[in-house]
Amino acid sequence: EVQVLASGGGLVQPGGSLRLSCAASGFTFSSNDMSWVRQAPGKGLEWVSSITTSGDSTYYADSVKGRFTISRDNSKNTLFLQMNSLRAEDTAVYHCAKNWDAWGQGTTVTVSS
Amino acid sequence: QSVLTQPPSASGTPGQRVTISCSGSNSNIGSHTVNWFQQLPGTAPKLLIYRNNQRPSGVPDRFSGSKSGTSASLAVSGLQSDDEADYYCATWDGSLNGHVFGTGTKVTVL
Repeated sequence: EVQVLASGGGLVQPGGSLRLSCAASGFTFSSNDMSWVRQAPGKGLEWVSSITTSGDSTYYADSVKGRFTISRDNSKNTLFLQMNSLRAEDTAVYHCAKNWDAWGQGTTVTVSS
Repeated sequence: QSVLTQPPSASGTPGQRVTISCSGSNSNIGSHTVNWFQQLPGTAPKLLIYRNNQRPSGVPDRFSGSKSGTSASLAVSGLQSDDEADYYCATWDGSLNGHVFGTGTKVTVL
């Protein structure tokens, strides 16, 4: 069964950092592009970042460019999102997605003092 | 502010057909294929339609997608109570060099 499970969310102060992980199983992780998508409370879906199979190419939404870094470890079937300089508007549920056809339940990030 | 515009809501009675539009521009829908996602209350999004009109395995043929120019549409025929959900279109935007999601449409079964 294909599974992607995000973790690492929590409460962090403005300006702080957090590292999200996404553990993948049930498919060939290294053959799939991966993405992070977030959803603020009561709001719609917002694409955050994507990474190609080898990690050679990465893409970011303007709202997180320069603050967030996406990466992957194909030997451990794991996707990461390093989030720095966090702002209140980054508060959301963060989902990881495999090539758009499999999504995890998400992990909640709350940025507040 | 999303570059893909959807109506905020749509509704129908059981058995009816509902259509959701997704309006974009030449840099996104006009140049790239469209995916549609269904998000049931309290759950993760699920891929419903990919490459404009293809259904993943397990998605009923009551769901269909189409694209024309800079717009795309999702049709749900034979509406069921289980179809109550939020629906999002998405595609790549060449000008933004990133993926974009639509504003989302909440479907209500009356």
